[in-house]
Amino acid sequence: DVKVTQSSRYLVKRTGEKVFLECVQDMDHENMFWYRQDPGLGLRLIYFSYDVKMKEKGDIPEGYSVSREKKERFSLILESASTNQTSMYLCASSPGQGDNSPLHFGNGTRLTVT
Amino acid sequence: GQNIDQPTEMTATEGAIVQINCTYQTSGFNGLFWYQQHAGEAPTFLSYNVLDGLEEKGRFSSFLSRSKGYSYLLLKELQMKDSASYLCAVLDSNYQLIWGAGTKLIIKP
Repeated sequence: DVKVTQSSRYLVKRTGEKVFLECVQDMDHENMFWYRQDPGLGLRLIYFSYDVKMKEKGDIPEGYSVSREKKERFSLILESASTNQTSMYLCASSPGQGDNSPLHFGNGTRLTVT
Repeated sequence: GQNIDQPTEMTATEGAIVQINCTYQTSGFNGLFWYQQHAGEAPTFLSYNVLDGLEEKGRFSSFLSRSKGYSYLLLKELQMKDSASYLCAVLDSNYQLIWGAGTKLIIKP
């Protein structure tokens, strides 16, 4: 079974802090994704990566950056956290580029910015 | 623009059948996914349809009509554990996933 692990289930940070959300997958997947999930909205793609050191902007990249130094790890960085970044953050992975394999999700990190 | 529509909330009775609809308008189509998400948990994969017709998997079935831009998820013999949100997502021509907002299904005894 594919396992996608997010380092924290809950985080509380102050406005202006730099925040790191870590995600690790153990199945040698090429693709990794960061989404945020807010009530009443579909999953919104922040950034994704199809390979090590590669990153692509999703639909809502503003205020975020990512890092993929190793294939299994994809980090989401909030450079200066703001209250409108309070949300559930979901990491996901899938096998290869351009494929139709389902995503495997981590359990999510609920981030509160005060 | 690209759009996925599904009902916000549905209520059904334990033991009954419920159908959750999803309509879509996307740039191209490479398949449609259904995911289940229990409160506070990660979405988990239920089904994938790329050809028209019905795919059955135990108590759950998923239907697709590409010409109508329409899919439904059918849940039979409902159990309390089926209380969850059900997410519809379409893979567009660039293999990007477009997500609906999800349907919260409430099961009553």
